[in-house]
Amino acid sequence: RKEVEQDPGPFNVPEGATVAFNCTYSNSASQSFFWYRQDCRKEPKLLMSVYSSGNEDGRFTAQLNRASQYISLLIRDSKLSDSATYLCVVNKFNAGGTSYGKLTFGQGTILTVHP
Amino acid sequence: GAVVSQHPSRVICKSGTSVKIECRSLDFQATTMFWYRQFPKQSLMLMATSNEGSKATYEQGVEKDKFLINHASLTLSTLTVTSAHPEDSSFYICSAHGAEAFFGQGTRLTVV
Repeated sequence: RKEVEQDPGPFNVPEGATVAFNCTYSNSASQSFFWYRQDCRKEPKLLMSVYSSGNEDGRFTAQLNRASQYISLLIRDSKLSDSATYLCVVNKFNAGGTSYGKLTFGQGTILTVHP
Repeated sequence: GAVVSQHPSRVICKSGTSVKIECRSLDFQATTMFWYRQFPKQSLMLMATSNEGSKATYEQGVEKDKFLINHASLTLSTLTVTSAHPEDSSFYICSAHGAEAFFGQGTRLTVV
């Protein structure tokens, strides 16, 4: 089983639609969680961190459920520019309690927003 | 501007030759950097952790003698793909972590 699993999609949605992506992780020692966005042939860029309390940044809302080891990303009012691959990423702390910095990436979910 | 700079962005080389990729942290000192590889339609896979002043730590299945890593300063890590073969063609990305992970722009390697 992969350590981080995502539905690869692709998701094809019209402009203005609301779309949700899900991600599960298998390592309960995972401590911090992120959504990254990757455009074709480019490096990943941080979209937002994910907190247990849930967090929102404009049209984007992220949720974390530690009990279910489940992360979600909701995009409202989709724009053409939202078309990209969305990567679910987890980070595991080392024994000392500081960030190990070793990120594990999900396969990515492809989103295409069409006019 | 970029926090982590990677060079070159694209390289085409002949089979059997070696290619060096540089990764520089521009705004901070990075005692640790990470090298990833991404094949088409797949996710980023960690290859190795580059440690300043000491040996790199390689992930299982990654040949340390083929992918040479040097982290001689706090701002520079290099990855050398030795005796490259067509199956080494991939997108190689480095990262350094401060408050978040910063990625280089990536290097698209094509071995012909």
